[in-house]
Amino acid sequence: SVLTQPPSVSAAPGQKVTISCSGSSSNVGKNYVSWYQHLPGTAPKLLIYENNKRPSGIPDRFSGSKSGTSATLGITGLQTGDEADYYCGAWDGSQSGLFVFGTGTKVTVL
Amino acid sequence: QVQLVESGGGLVKPGGSLRLSCAASGFTFRDYYMTWIRQAPGKGLEWVSYISGGSISIYYADSVKGRFTISRDNAKNSLYLEMNSLRAEDTAVYYCARSVLGDPAMDYWGQGTLVTVSS
Repeated sequence: SVLTQPPSVSAAPGQKVTISCSGSSSNVGKNYVSWYQHLPGTAPKLLIYENNKRPSGIPDRFSGSKSGTSATLGITGLQTGDEADYYCGAWDGSQSGLFVFGTGTKVTVL
Repeated sequence: QVQLVESGGGLVKPGGSLRLSCAASGFTFRDYYMTWIRQAPGKGLEWVSYISGGSISIYYADSVKGRFTISRDNAKNSLYLEMNSLRAEDTAVYYCARSVLGDPAMDYWGQGTLVTVSS
């Protein structure tokens, strides 16, 4: 994967976590970033698209931002139900039509 | 409501073939790009292939190019993935997903279908 995320982050309920997504000028640097939540055995869920937009039904506890070749997902008011794997994703212009996912981050609620 | 239901997974020998299907409902299927994504056991998500509403634009990951073929039948609201020359490393849960209008982000996903390539 060409998008690098920390393997894991953790925090207590009610606290905030941030997950970074580091890419390059061919992907994060010039294309929109999206973020996904994946609980084992379930369908992944879109949390953020176009860097910072939330689909209908996604609470504002989830936020996205991008600066240069890095993007960040923030989760505030952490809940036990937020314990999952999180992935960033972006189109990669260095190849002919390739979308790349990040390496994934496991969020643990302590 | 939007629903995507994959089918066609199973056990296949190396070198074999399999065809996955994805039945879509709850939206105007022909208006949306559709994507196949997979997750190998213990691994992260891997984008596989992407097709435009009218099948004009099609893209593949390098790992499957030349072996997999994506297609769709808008009259049947169905997406397909024809997989040939399967390898052990193709073993994964395969998801179909709908893309956000004007963006490759995937806003609705199916539950996935498991493909196991083993002798």
